[in-house]
Amino acid sequence: NAGVTQTPKFQVLKTGQSMTLQCAQDMNHNSMYWYRQDPGMGLRLIYYSASEGTTDKGEVPNGYNVSRLNKREFSLRLESAAPSQTSVYFCANRLAGVVDTQYFGPGTRLTVL
Amino acid sequence: SQKIEQNSEALNIQEGKTATLTCNYTNYSPAYLQWYRQDPGRGPVFLLLIRENEKEKRKERLKVTFDTTLKQSLFHITASQPADSATYLCATMDSSYKLIFGSGTRLLVRP
Repeated sequence: NAGVTQTPKFQVLKTGQSMTLQCAQDMNHNSMYWYRQDPGMGLRLIYYSASEGTTDKGEVPNGYNVSRLNKREFSLRLESAAPSQTSVYFCANRLAGVVDTQYFGPGTRLTVL
Repeated sequence: SQKIEQNSEALNIQEGKTATLTCNYTNYSPAYLQWYRQDPGRGPVFLLLIRENEKEKRKERLKVTFDTTLKQSLFHITASQPADSATYLCATMDSSYKLIFGSGTRLLVRP
């Protein structure tokens, strides 16, 4: 039972390159989230998905797109990476109907040069 | 809008002492507050939740309090150990029912 998994663990991009961060869960939870964490700023919500096939913007969605094709997987795409997107990205999930306790993946450390 | 504020300065204490971390919220009294632990290079892990109508919650060596008058939650670790060294995050729900986090306080327990 892996919980929430993320790939890759580390990535270095050049400005303008694109990439997709993958997140998968085996907990059968409905809601999934993407956060970024920067020093001194805490976790900020990028996008979330309340259920399969639905997505909504969070606090900092600009420059990102997401896809929730099935209940297990929620991917985050950077179409044209910028240095300001250098951060640690966390995927999380939550069981619907329960107080908003979230379960996090191990994170992806992204550097954009 | 609701904001969560935590002391950005690291807390450095001696093993065996009680660590006390503070979380302040700025706006309306939230229905609950949560505390998470985050180790370097890892995702946050849920520890405890305290509801608005609860003054105190305990789990083993952990204790959380909720003071709606002070708009504050305190997180205590009694008989602290070096293994308790980590960053502790406070979180609550915002007006659109999404979780918002403080920036965390780093705790260092010296042997």
